[in-house]
Amino acid sequence: QKEVEQNSGPLSVPEGAIASLNCTYSDRGSQSFFWYRQYSGKSPELIMFIYSNGDKEDGRFTAQLNKASQYVSLLIRDSQPSDSATYLCAVNRGTPLVFGKGTRLSVIA
Amino acid sequence: DVKVTQSSRYLVKRTGEKVFLECVQDMDHENMFWYRQDPGLGLRLIYFSYDVKMKEKGDIPEGYSVSREKKERFSLILESASTNQTSMYLCASSLPVNTGELFFGEGSRLTVL
Repeated sequence: QKEVEQNSGPLSVPEGAIASLNCTYSDRGSQSFFWYRQYSGKSPELIMFIYSNGDKEDGRFTAQLNKASQYVSLLIRDSQPSDSATYLCAVNRGTPLVFGKGTRLSVIA
Repeated sequence: DVKVTQSSRYLVKRTGEKVFLECVQDMDHENMFWYRQDPGLGLRLIYFSYDVKMKEKGDIPEGYSVSREKKERFSLILESASTNQTSMYLCASSLPVNTGELFFGEGSRLTVL
């Protein structure tokens, strides 16, 4: 089983809808969880992190963590065409981050 | 703002050449990392360093070496480039207390012919 798994997509949502991006991880010792956004031809940039079970909101973005299920998600409300990018889930086990392969999101105007 | 600068955006080299990829950060970060990114394979860690003169192998170190003589500079070296090393190379840095917040450079796209 891969350490961090994401559906590669593409995930297509209409403008204004909620985009839901999911990630599972295999190591129960994982301590913190990160979402990076990568626009085509650009480098990844951190958009959210979460350490505790539950939800964490930042503007239109909500990160959700369920350690019992080893599941992390990112919700994007009121999706905009500018949200079209690849979203990388990353997990910290006290060592360098382990990245998933990313989910490509396409927001259709 | 944190700035991570990679010396070359695009390089074309021939098989067997020695290749140097330079990375400099200006925020006094202790941690520095080299990743490569390939379609369908995601980001893979090549080497990392938590201090000057210190280096650790990542997941795919074969065919690569690194040098960290100064805190702000982390160099990736391909001793004898091969075609399977054609890739996008990304350098990143972070503080030791928040190792999950990586600041990436713009990337170096290397083509080996």
